[in-house]
Parts: sequence; structure tokens; C-alpha cells
Amino acid sequence: GAVVSQHPSWVICKSGTSVKIECRSLDFQATTMFWYRQFPKQSLMLMATSNEGSKATYEQGVEKDKFLINHASLTLSTLTVTSAHPEDSSFYICSARNRGEIPDTQYFGPGTRLTVL
Amino acid sequence: AQSVTQLDSQVPVFEEAPVELRCNYSSSVSVYLFWYVQYPNQGLQLLLKYLSGSTLVKGINGFEAEFNKSQTSFHLRKPSVHISDTAEYFCAVSDSSGGSNYKLTFGKGTLLTVNP
Repeated sequence: GAVVSQHPSWVICKSGTSVKIECRSLDFQATTMFWYRQFPKQSLMLMATSNEGSKATYEQGVEKDKFLINHASLTLSTLTVTSAHPEDSSFYICSARNRGEIPDTQYFGPGTRLTVL
Repeated sequence: AQSVTQLDSQVPVFEEAPVELRCNYSSSVSVYLFWYVQYPNQGLQLLLKYLSGSTLVKGINGFEAEFNKSQTSFHLRKPSVHISDTAEYFCAVSDSSGGSNYKLTFGKGTLLTVNP
């Protein structure tokens, strides 16, 4: 139980294009999902908190117009990297809070490797 | 606000040896504590968590951790490691009252390398 999937697992795109990454909770409802970024050999950096049906809350220093987050349902959140540039290349990981588990625990997706050429 | 310090960035050990990965935290509020493992090019997998109650927590794959409130520590241990335990291990905390939406604060990670 408590499985989170991400799609795609890896993507290569040209500079200037936009890329959408999906995060799904497969067997539970997640009213809150989190998006992280991880650079090689470093820890996870929280980018934003995504709440179902409301606007995402972005961490300081994260450009909300560049990293668009949509949480349209209780099981799906999407991160769109707009006008991607090589410096956006990174490993993006989502997590979801299992509201059916008291107290809440975050479960992580397998990550998406983005490479911008 | 919380912070997490993982004292060792790398821990090399031989197979079947015991291991301890150290984690200390700082917080002005009560916390939940977690250990996650990350294998190369994968997401994070929950190893164990401390929410309340017994300070000794057992997790998957033979790992356990002990919460020490006075020392603000949550060290991870395994009595005998396997080659397959080679991975990055992250300690994390969250506000147990739900502040900041249970946002996790991670340590920088410890790379455990198990050698034959």
C-alpha cells in the first residue's frame, strides 16, 4: 500500500520547451503533495507544497511562474517546468501525504530525471 | 523551524559488520522523526518513523533507530549489514502539531557503502 508513481521516469528536452511531470497516489487519497528537487549527491530541496483544489505554496527562491503546479484531484499533481534551460536539469521527486494514515506520513515517488539540452 | 544534522557524509563498512548512522536535530516544537533510504536513481523509501511511544523503533530490512529526546538524536542502526544495504540514507523531521503542513526537513544524507 501507499504507492506513489511518477511519469515520466526520465525526459530529455531542448532548451526553451516545457515539460510536464505527473505524480499520482495509486492506492490512497492525497490532499497534499510535495515537490522536491535533488542535485547530484545532495539532499532534497522542497520546492512547493501542492494542495488539492487550491494554489500551491512555493518555498522561498522558487519561481512560481517557471514551475507550475496543478493539483486537480485527490490522486494527481503535476509539475510543469516552463521554458526549460540547462540549469533546470535535475532529479525531481514528489511525495504524497497519506491522509488515511494517522499521523500523516509522506510517501515518495520514484523520481523523474530531467535533462535539458 | 527545524534543522537536521547527519554527522557523517560517508560510512564505509564491511559486510556483516554492525553500522550506526548518526542523526541529530534541532527544533523548538515537538517533532516526528523519519529515516528514508534512497537507492541510485530512485525515490525515497521509508525505513522507519518515530511518532510517539517507545523510543526504540524497528523498521524494514532489519534497521532500527532510537529516539533520545535529551540528546535530540535519532541514530539508525543495523547489527549486520549486507551488500544490498549500500545506499544513501536520509534523516528527516516534521512538526508533530501539523505546522507547515507536516513539511519534512531533511539532513544532507549519509552514503553507506558496504564492502565485501
